[in-house]
Formats: sequence, C-alpha cells, structure tokens
Amino acid sequence: DTGVSQDPRHKITKRGQNVTFRCDPISEHNRLYWYRQTLGQGPEFLTYFQNEAQLEKSRLLSDRFSAERPKGSFSTLEIQRTEQGDSAMYLCASSWGGGLRQTTNEKLFFGSGTQLSVL
Amino acid sequence: DQQVKQNSPSLSVQEGRISILNCDYTNSMFDYFLWYKKYPAEGPTFLISISSIKDKNEDGRFTVFLNKSAKHLSLHIVPSQPGDSAVYFCAASAYYSNSGYALNFGKGTSLLVTP
Repeated sequence: DTGVSQDPRHKITKRGQNVTFRCDPISEHNRLYWYRQTLGQGPEFLTYFQNEAQLEKSRLLSDRFSAERPKGSFSTLEIQRTEQGDSAMYLCASSWGGGLRQTTNEKLFFGSGTQLSVL
Repeated sequence: DQQVKQNSPSLSVQEGRISILNCDYTNSMFDYFLWYKKYPAEGPTFLISISSIKDKNEDGRFTVFLNKSAKHLSLHIVPSQPGDSAVYFCAASAYYSNSGYALNFGKGTSLLVTP
C-alpha cells in the first residue's frame, strides 16, 4: 500500500499529557499537510510543509502544537499539555507540487487519520 | 469565517435516482474546487475536481458544475447507488505564496442512498 499512513489510528490520553502522531506521506510527494476535524465540521487546515520547510501555520495551531518534517519525508505532530478541546480526528495529507504554480490539477491525498480523545 | 458552505447537512435519495449536492463559496480568489467522499473512521477520498476555467467536469457517474458568477458548485451523481452513501465534502483552494494548496472545506453533506 503506497497511500498516506498515519499512526496511531486511535489515542486516548488524560488531560495534561503530551501526545505525538506520525504521518508517512506518499513517497514521491513533496508537500505535506496536517488538518483537524471535529464532529459535524469539515477538515480544518493546521499546517503545511514543502519538503522539510514548514511554510504555513494556521491560527488554530496554538503554541502547544508543534509539527516537524525533519528530512522531508515523514512528519510528526506533537500536542503538549493536552486539553479536552483537542479531542478530534487529526488528518495528514500529501501532494506533489512544483515550486511555482504550474497546474491547477493538484489534489491532496489523505490518510485515515488519528482519532484523539482527551479525558 | 466559513468560506465554503454546504447548507444541507443531509440528503436522502432512492437508488437509481439523481443525487445533487450543493456548495457555495465566498472567496473570489478560489480557483480550484474539489469534492471528497468520506466514510466513517476513514480519511477523505478524492472524488472529482474542477478548475475555475471550466464550468463542468464529468467522470463516470459523477459530474461537477461550477457557476462562478453565483459562486456555486454542485455535484451530481447519476444513477445513485447504495455504496455512494457517505459524507461528501466540498473543498476550494487558492494559491497563496508559501502556502501551497491549503484546502478550505465545507461542513459536509451526509448522503444516504436507499434501495
């Protein structure tokens, strides 16, 4: 299977604990995105990497959240001092894009997500 | 603020009939639109897309129509099948320098196709 892989699928933690999620994108994709989805909402953009550079962060990404993509391959999303409001599905997506906008045919491929429950 | 709106949370259609899912957007900078399908406990799966230079794109049973002046798009599924039952998300993007294609999603429409 060469799709986007996320680990773990489910995480239950107590409030105040730190959690880390991993995403392995499609191997030839240079762009990686993190989204968050809560019940009854569509996915909300959190942050974006092109290769190893984190180029954009949403205002939803508080200072308790940090994301890395050290070698331009897999990525991790860490949440420190979790709160009950962090409970959500965390989705990773990847795509291939050139340095300049060359095509309007870019689409994101999503993983199955990590469902976080903060008790 | 919600820049992509799906005002119908749910839709029920009989098998074999047409399903029409609607989406409105507010940001005139959006120039690429996509529909994703999502089953429970899975990530969204790409279904079909359309560039703003077109007004229609067709792929098998799925057709997306874009009305730029009305800032409206719709997804038609003909004929509808029970396996189409899922949540459908409308998404839109605009190229921002340094941001790539951050997609803006609607809240989704849950489609139920009954036998």
